[in-house]
This record gives sequence, C-alpha cells and structure tokens, in this order.
Amino acid sequence: NAGVTQTPKFQVLKTGQSMTLQCAQDMNHNSMYWYRQDPGMGLRLIYYSASEGTTDKGEVPNGYNVSRLNKREFSLRLESAAPSQTSVYFCASSEALGQASTDTQYFGPGTRLTVL
Amino acid sequence: GQQLNQSPQSMFIQEGEDVSMNCTSSSIFNTWLWYKQDPGEGPVLLIALYKAGELTSNGRLTAQFGITRKDSFLNISASIPSDVGIYFCAGPNPNDYKLSFGAGTTVTVRA
Repeated sequence: NAGVTQTPKFQVLKTGQSMTLQCAQDMNHNSMYWYRQDPGMGLRLIYYSASEGTTDKGEVPNGYNVSRLNKREFSLRLESAAPSQTSVYFCASSEALGQASTDTQYFGPGTRLTVL
Repeated sequence: GQQLNQSPQSMFIQEGEDVSMNCTSSSIFNTWLWYKQDPGEGPVLLIALYKAGELTSNGRLTAQFGITRKDSFLNISASIPSDVGIYFCAGPNPNDYKLSFGAGTTVTVRA
C-alpha cells in the first residue's frame, strides 16, 4: 500500500517547454488534488477532481491543465512552462470531497520543478 | 481560499523545550487540521479537531480548537531533533470543504 505516489521527483525545464506530472493513489479515494507550495505561502490549490470524470479549478489554475485518467490517476500538465511555475507540486487524495467535514487529505512526496 | 494566519513564521528551539504555535482566521471553521512536513516530503496529518473547545493529543503534540472557532493552537512538549520541519494549520471551507492552508511555522531544533 504505497498511498499517493508522484513522478518525477525532480525536473528542470526551459521556458516554453511542456511536461506532465503524474500522480496515482491506491486508497480507492474518490477525490484528488494538485497543490503548489512556494516559500512563505503555504499550499495553494491548482485543480481538483471531486470524483472520477470531473475536474474543477482551484485558487491558482492559470497555466495548468489536468486529466483525471481513471479513479487512481490524476495528472497535471504545464503546456508552456514559465519561471513563475518554479515550485514544489503536491498531489493529494481524499475519500470524498464535500461528503463530510472529517474527510482527510493524504499527500504524495512532491515534485520539485525548476523552470529556467 | 480563506486566509489563515500562522505564527510564528519560524522558531529555533532548544532540545527539551516546549513550543507553541497558533493559527487564526477571520472566518469560522468547523474543522481544524495540523499537518507536519518533513524536509523533502509531503505534509502528513498530525491532529484533526472537530469541535470548538476540543483538546486533542497525539504523543507529545497537543492541539486545541479555539472557542471562537476562529483559531487553533499546537503545542509540542519536550522537543527532540526529529521535530524539525514545517507545521501547517489547515481548515476546510464550510461551503465546499476545500482546504485552506496557513503559510507554515518552520521549526529548527538546536541540539
């Protein structure tokens, strides 16, 4: 039982390049999330998927797209990377967003992305 | 997301000391969560609080849900080197349950 896994762990891109961050969970959770973490700013929600087949924008969605490939997998794509997207990206999952105030999010280990 | 103000921003503590940190919000939360992030890892849930006034412990950690529902406190007793990390408070928005996070308190322990 690995929980939430993310690949890659580190990535360096040049401005304008594209890439996809992968996330998978093995807890049979319905809801999945993508956050970015910047120094002094905590975690900010980029996109989320409340259930398989649905995706919605979070607080900072510009420059990103997501795909909920199936119940297990939720990917984040940067179509044209910019230096402002240099950050640490975390994927998380929970049983069911909005179903209960006790719904708990579990986080992956993160992807450290640098855009030059 | 809703604004959560966490303080202090960072602290250097002596091994064996007790430490406190807090989190405040301008709006009411029905749940308060405390996460810890070890260096190079993702946040891990430490304590969840669901009722105003609730006091909950997890080993050397104790957290309280403020009576006003606009604040929460985390205490670490007898700190040890593995307490190093960033501690985040978080709370689900009562309308859509999406989490808002504080900016974090970075704890460094002096041996």
